[in-house]
Amino acid sequence: AQTVTQSQPEMSVQEAETVTLSCTYDTSENNYYLFWYKQPPSRQMILVIRQEAYKQQNATENRFSVNFQKAAKSFSLKISDSQLGDTAMYFCAFMKKRGSQGNLIFGKGTKLSVKP
Amino acid sequence: DTAVSQTPKYLVTQMGNDKSIKCEQNLGHDTMYWYKQDSKKFLKIMFSYNNKELIINETVPNRFSPKSPDKAHLNLHINSLELGDSAVYFCASGRHESYGYTFGSGTRLTVV
Repeated sequence: AQTVTQSQPEMSVQEAETVTLSCTYDTSENNYYLFWYKQPPSRQMILVIRQEAYKQQNATENRFSVNFQKAAKSFSLKISDSQLGDTAMYFCAFMKKRGSQGNLIFGKGTKLSVKP
Repeated sequence: DTAVSQTPKYLVTQMGNDKSIKCEQNLGHDTMYWYKQDSKKFLKIMFSYNNKELIINETVPNRFSPKSPDKAHLNLHINSLELGDSAVYFCASGRHESYGYTFGSGTRLTVV
């Protein structure tokens, strides 16, 4: 069974600085997808960034980028130029490549606070 | 237009009652899901439907019954509510696994 581990329950960062959130996962699959979701206090789940395991290039979305290390089964999220609106729970998630019936498996989340 | 909409957003009810949560998506996705987020924020899948057919049915009490009248709707009915059912329930839909899911805004269920 696949598992996703986020080892940092809480983190904080000063506005405009950079922060990295850690995620590791365990799987015997070779093809899969990885995601980071953001859940602000509004409760909405928002997709931040996604990575396909067969692509070696790290995904980037504006201030958000990932460091994907397939051999180490590591998928960290870097937030540059942190903004107050980045304050949220961040969830790392894994999905097998198996048609459209995939089960998105989440880590327990990291609560990020951006301080002014 | 809201892509995945759930109603109600908040639901407070007494133990033993029966309640339903409705979910609709206008994205044309074939697959819909119900997730439960507990008090520690952990998200776990409950059910998955693909084109009205049940695909995933995790270990969930049979008091929980999903119903999908068509591929744009997936409702969740809960019988004989218990205190431990208090949680946030999220509906989601997906087209292909590479895109992840689109989530609704969640329903906070409180059983008193």
